[in-house]
Amino acid sequence: DAGVIQSPRHEVTEMGQEVTLRCKPISGHDYLFWYRQTMMRGLELLIYFNNNVPIDDSGMPEDRFSAKMPNASFSTLKIQPSEPRDSAVYFCASRGQVGDIQYFGAGTRLSVL
Amino acid sequence: GQQVMQIPQYQHVQEGEDFTTYCNSSTTLSNIQWYKQRPGGHPVFLIQLVKSGEVKKQKRLTFQFGEAKKNSSLHITATQTTDVGTYFCAGPPNAGKSTFGDGTTLTVKP
Repeated sequence: DAGVIQSPRHEVTEMGQEVTLRCKPISGHDYLFWYRQTMMRGLELLIYFNNNVPIDDSGMPEDRFSAKMPNASFSTLKIQPSEPRDSAVYFCASRGQVGDIQYFGAGTRLSVL
Repeated sequence: GQQVMQIPQYQHVQEGEDFTTYCNSSTTLSNIQWYKQRPGGHPVFLIQLVKSGEVKKQKRLTFQFGEAKKNSSLHITATQTTDVGTYFCAGPPNAGKSTFGDGTTLTVKP
């Protein structure tokens, strides 16, 4: 398996633009997590899904953030409109139903100018 | 809810010195995991501890789980420049989500 795949790896956009981050979890994993990492706030859990259903989105900072998982092999995190303070590295991670180990993607480094 | 606290936040060592990071929980944990994130990289799973008092070794890394299963430590013997990065502990899922500590960032001066 290729592991968790995220795209794009880097995204530079201007304030006010819509940003869509993509994630393909490991095949067979039932849980999918979206994290944001910054120097100031560390690793923050934004939202997670179980069997494609959002379970806890309490970490989503604002209504500008939304996440979907239309099927077991794809998830998106959308920011609309983006702001400079959204600049961070966004990680997607997946986990199987059995066992607690999370497998992280390489991340998307987002810069909002 | 469940929370794990890690100390120290930063550690600077001279190459060859030892390094230890500690993870503490206010509640008993069924297991604890350790991850390493290299600079510019992503967190990568290192090990999981399950049993009270468990000690596991990976080359120069020694992981311990406390007798009360409320704390854990990661000790690196004779650090090398390849050990640089941030080490995270994580508690077991609570309502499906793991609780990651804030991490300890290790820098090694050659």
